[in-house]
Amino acid sequence: DAGVTQSPTHLIKTRGQQVTLRCSPISGHKSVSWYQQVLGQGPQFIFQYYEKEERGRGNFPDRFSARQFPNYSSELNVNALLLGDSALYLCASSLELRGSGQPQHFGDGTRLSIL
Amino acid sequence: DAKTTQPTSMDCAEGRAANLPCNHSTISGNEYVYWYRQIHSQGPQYIIHGLKNNETNEMASLIITEDRKSSTLILPHATLRDTAVYYCIVRVAGNQFYFGTGTSLTVIP
Repeated sequence: DAGVTQSPTHLIKTRGQQVTLRCSPISGHKSVSWYQQVLGQGPQFIFQYYEKEERGRGNFPDRFSARQFPNYSSELNVNALLLGDSALYLCASSLELRGSGQPQHFGDGTRLSIL
Repeated sequence: DAKTTQPTSMDCAEGRAANLPCNHSTISGNEYVYWYRQIHSQGPQYIIHGLKNNETNEMASLIITEDRKSSTLILPHATLRDTAVYYCIVRVAGNQFYFGTGTSLTVIP
């Protein structure tokens, strides 16, 4: 079975540009979350979506936005890119929003570099 | 929100058991403890999770103290491929996972 897939794997942008990252969850998973991982730190929560609705938001500026589609895939958008947005962006999916301790399963991320 | 604290780094001899501790003293009664590991340039890999009872699967064992304020991940026979950063995680507010800085485990030949 396919795991969580993310595209692209690597991306280079310049300051001020906009970027869209994509995520396909594991088949049957309805919840998708996004995380930012800066070098040397643990992942930080950005967004969580369930059944196409935003169910959680971390401490990130409004330049970050996301959406979930009817097939449960998701996009993360970042506007007006800053050098500090350089990071590994991780997508994770799970069966449910919460309950029975369902774990999240992560993709291998998109490495975003801002010049 | 419940948070976690872990040692920054640990070493373990190949073939020996690796015991990775985690403190989560503010965990609430209905929060699970999850363990993941991350090898350089890859996404976090799920290992095991538990609520109150000790758990075991093909990868590891999880020991949770009776007061649930701490837990230990046990890799019974560490191999070189177990070298990674290990995260002890609790779920906070909704479906958000809180990652700390994790423990960098080095398995020594």
